[in-house]
Amino acid sequence: GAVVSQHPSRVICKSGTSVKIECRSLDFQATTMFWYRQFPKQSLMLMATSNEGSKATYEQGVEKDKFLINHASLTLSTLTVTSAHPEDSSFYICSARGPIPRPQETQYFGPGTRLLVL
Amino acid sequence: GQNIDQPTEMTATEGAIVQINCTYQTSGFNGLFWYQQHAGEAPTFLSYNVLDGLEEKGRFSSFLSRSKGYSYLLLKELQMKDSASYLCAVRGQNSGYALNFGKGTSLLVTP
Repeated sequence: GAVVSQHPSRVICKSGTSVKIECRSLDFQATTMFWYRQFPKQSLMLMATSNEGSKATYEQGVEKDKFLINHASLTLSTLTVTSAHPEDSSFYICSARGPIPRPQETQYFGPGTRLLVL
Repeated sequence: GQNIDQPTEMTATEGAIVQINCTYQTSGFNGLFWYQQHAGEAPTFLSYNVLDGLEEKGRFSSFLSRSKGYSYLLLKELQMKDSASYLCAVRGQNSGYALNFGKGTSLLVTP
């Protein structure tokens, strides 16, 4: 089946630094990837939709200058949290749109990245 | 926009059956998904409904009524490993395949 990886799985950083999270589709090409954020005991909130070769589409309330998304290839999308602050601490999950147009398996989720900003 | 409601917590006994309900309001509908998520892990796909009716897959079944904006996930023969959060997610017609998730139902299976 389609596999999506994320790196790193866990990161701790100081306030004010930038953190880059990678999302890779390992055995298929993903023209569309999605970035979600999940706070403790909350649901997944869509942050942005990343399309290969074009600018990401951000959801309302998500600062595009703070959360930089790059989808330079069909197998890699990156999310950079710039000038991170403690309130950015969260579980970040990416998903990739599957290669086969079966609607019930449209998205394959990565294992997530837990970010802690001190 | 989309509003998705599901119970926050449920408890059931090992071997029993549990039904997790989900109601939604959406300006456009293009499918409803159920995912299972264990703490600290990514969601895993359980089921998909786009037409009314019941979809059965092993111990898990999912039902959809589009006219009522209602779905449920039915788990049979509960096992301890089924203790997890169950997320109801709706895909809108113009969402570009993005999903809108409910807050999830935390299910605890007890011996």
